[in-house]
Amino acid sequence: AQSVTQLDSQVPVFEEAPVELRCNYSSSVSVYLFWYVQYPNQGLQLLLKYLSGSTLVKGINGFEAEFNKSQTSFHLRKPSVHISDTAEYFCAVRPGGSARQLTFGSGTQLTVLP
Amino acid sequence: KAGVTQTPRYLIKTRGQQVTLSCSPISGHRSVSWYQQTPGQGLQFLFEYFSETQRNKGNFPGRFSGRQFSNSRSEMNVSTLELGDSALYLCASSLGLAGGEETQYFGPGTRLLVL
Repeated sequence: AQSVTQLDSQVPVFEEAPVELRCNYSSSVSVYLFWYVQYPNQGLQLLLKYLSGSTLVKGINGFEAEFNKSQTSFHLRKPSVHISDTAEYFCAVRPGGSARQLTFGSGTQLTVLP
Repeated sequence: KAGVTQTPRYLIKTRGQQVTLSCSPISGHRSVSWYQQTPGQGLQFLFEYFSETQRNKGNFPGRFSGRQFSNSRSEMNVSTLELGDSALYLCASSLGLAGGEETQYFGPGTRLLVL
């Protein structure tokens, strides 16, 4: 079984400041890792993913994340945030193989302040 | 290419009724998964269908069921609705590749309110 911990439920940050949203996971098998964003009253939009290869992955809207296998972490970063980045962010893992079951963290509400 | 579509977008039911939600995956996608999102429990996996067969199931009571049709469209049904079933129900589709190195794309969800 897998589990995901998002260490911060709320992160307020001023516009143009950098931000890091933390995600740690636990799994006895190899996993794929994802970050999704959810805007109010909408579904989930994929920000970025780690399936294999380079541990530094770049996504949409200037976000990036680094897979650290030894620390079982997949933290999301952006060097300069905008008001429009205000949303809830979810980290998720999926075991390798044919299973499509995503296990999600509890989410981090990012609020960008003017 | 059109994204994942879910109908209806909003639904109000009363306790004891049943409800059917529909999901149309992205063209060419054969795997469809369903998730329930609530403020208290977060995002939880319900089940996954691939080629009309349920491949994986989450920890939900038997009142929750689903099916997939030959065109990959999927429906989920909840019978004997309870207040706690009020949630956003999300559908996700993916190609269904054997190795699993693929992305799941989510629809906008159906918001169900049980009174």
